[in-house]
Amino acid sequence: GEDVEQSLFLSVREGDSSVINCTYTDSSSTYLYWYKQEPGAGLQLLTYIFSNMDMKQDQRLTVLLNKKDKHLSLRIADTQTGDSAIYFCAVPGQDSGYALNFGKGTSLLVTP
Amino acid sequence: DTAVSQTPKYLVTQMGNDKSIKCEQNLGHDTMYWYKQDSKKFLKIMFSYNNKELIINETVPNRFSPKSPDKAHLNLHINSLELGDSAVYFCASSPWGGRLEQYFGPGTRLTVT
Repeated sequence: GEDVEQSLFLSVREGDSSVINCTYTDSSSTYLYWYKQEPGAGLQLLTYIFSNMDMKQDQRLTVLLNKKDKHLSLRIADTQTGDSAIYFCAVPGQDSGYALNFGKGTSLLVTP
Repeated sequence: DTAVSQTPKYLVTQMGNDKSIKCEQNLGHDTMYWYKQDSKKFLKIMFSYNNKELIINETVPNRFSPKSPDKAHLNLHINSLELGDSAVYFCASSPWGGRLEQYFGPGTRLTVT
């Protein structure tokens, strides 16, 4: 099965950039996703990237993909306190009906 | 006009009881899923259905039985509830093929006492 790894915690100061990293094992994945979960809430799709892209930018979010190293990152520019949440990297499993394999989630804490 | 809805949002019950969680999507998607999020926030796929047919069952005890009456609904029935079943259960849907993102429901927090 797919293994998706993330660091568990990240703390940044308001206004700084946050970078959340993810590594995965299945190189056949065509789409890779970032989801956000605020306390007590559901999962919100933040962004996704096609595997034939190296970078995708969407306002304050930048996703970088290194297919050779199977490394995905999410950069949040000008991080705000409202960005405090858990961020999940997710990769579809090719042998699991495209169900998502999630990393353990990175808890981002933004301090004033 | 909620895309993926689940009921109930909270469910508190005693060990040994049988309970159901309902899920509906109005996106016209072919594929629906159930995920379990444990107390450490780890998310894991439980079931995947495509057009009312079971695609995967990820080592889930047979006390859990999904039922899909039509492709817009995927309900989860749990028999003989155990303490370890306490978790948040998320329903999701997507077009078949995983080419686009999965949309998640708000979750059902199940507490077994």
